[in-house]
Amino acid sequence: ETGVTQTPRHLVMGMTNKKSLKCEQHLGHNAMYWYKQSAKKPLELMFVYNFKEQTENNSVPSRFSPECPNSSHLFLHLHTLQPEDSALYLCASSAKGRGSGGQYQETQYFGPGTRLLVL
Amino acid sequence: KQEVTQIPAALSVPEGENLVLNCSFTDSAIYNLQWFRQDPGKGLTSLLLIQSSQREQTSGRLNASLDKSSGRSTLYIAASQPGDSATYLCAVSLRRTGNQFYFGTGTSLTVIP
Repeated sequence: ETGVTQTPRHLVMGMTNKKSLKCEQHLGHNAMYWYKQSAKKPLELMFVYNFKEQTENNSVPSRFSPECPNSSHLFLHLHTLQPEDSALYLCASSAKGRGSGGQYQETQYFGPGTRLLVL
Repeated sequence: KQEVTQIPAALSVPEGENLVLNCSFTDSAIYNLQWFRQDPGKGLTSLLLIQSSQREQTSGRLNASLDKSSGRSTLYIAASQPGDSATYLCAVSLRRTGNQFYFGTGTSLTVIP
């Protein structure tokens, strides 16, 4: 157990459905992340939240909508997805701090992921 | 853009053998490098994190080295066990992009009993 939980663990949805993925961390971290992992491809960072503020959005389509109501919870709202969006969606958290030379991050702790299948 | 490459993509070794996994990156201005382990269908578990000012980190049978100037890192696993079978991922964080890791595609390791 890493201290980061994700629900649901598996999700099957049609292209017209609306669903949400949930991530929760009990580590006292202040940065949270959504990643997408597709077969044979590197993990792709989707969104980053620092102190509940979104600081990174890596050209993610608008059919993915993140929400961070507090520093312990992170959601990914899904609507009108495409079959190519089927993947493992991983949430992570880290304790963000500032060192000499600029911003930095410490170890990222990952949740078990949500396996998403879009039909 | 940072590119992270891991070679080999897959590796199969008999139990007890020592082995080395390789990671290379194109932009040497990294802040830190991290090695992760991922079991099938599961999330990532951090194994070792090396800050850019460090040359190596050790944890039990694992030793990770970092050569920033050549853009390389290695993960050495001593006396491999079947429980070490997993995919090993390397990730680097660039100083200028703040908290974003760039991941490699991983090395899938199988340790045969």
